[in-house]
Amino acid sequence: DTGVSQDPRHKITKRGQNVTFRCDPISEHNRLYWYRQTLGQGPEFLTYFQNEAQLEKSRLLSDRFSAERPKGSFSTLEIQRTEQGDSAMYLCASSLVPGMGGYTFGSGTRLTVV
Amino acid sequence: DAKTTQPPSMDCAEGRAANLPCNHSTISGNEYVYWYRQIHSQGPQYIIHGLKNNETNEMASLIITEDRKSSTLILPHATLRDTAVYYCIVRASLSNAGGTSYGKLTFGQGTILTVHP
Repeated sequence: DTGVSQDPRHKITKRGQNVTFRCDPISEHNRLYWYRQTLGQGPEFLTYFQNEAQLEKSRLLSDRFSAERPKGSFSTLEIQRTEQGDSAMYLCASSLVPGMGGYTFGSGTRLTVV
Repeated sequence: DAKTTQPPSMDCAEGRAANLPCNHSTISGNEYVYWYRQIHSQGPQYIIHGLKNNETNEMASLIITEDRKSSTLILPHATLRDTAVYYCIVRASLSNAGGTSYGKLTFGQGTILTVHP
């Protein structure tokens, strides 16, 4: 296993378009997390799944954002009607429950909305 | 989760020890101290964690004060590749009927460590 994979690495989109990102976690990890990071700031929590169940969503996750993990393996994060403020690095991480050892992060998807 | 305070930036000479401080004066008894780092254009990388005893692994050492209100991450022989943002995070452990679980990681601003030749 090569770790957490995210696709694409970079995405440039026009304002108002929809975008979808994919995350493939470490195969035996049952928890999957999404974070967003803007320039100069630490990562901010968006949501997490345990297997296919979405257990927590941040208030940062507006109605335009939706995340899924349909079979408890890979996850997708969709942003509808993108805005310039959505420009950020979107990070995915995975862990085992109970997960004392911490998360393994992917390299992220950098979104630029023009 | 308890809030942490870190200096915004630090410098270190290559080959010397880098000592990164973190204050977490409101830490609770069930909260662990975690350290992550983030090298430019990569996702954060787990370094080490501890509850109240000092910990050491192949990457670093973690020294937690006896009152647990502060800690120090030590990189014993810093290299240029250790230049990164270092995050100190306090994370709760939660015991319930289903066993022990751990709260999500909440990142602050971190310390930008620059290792120079």
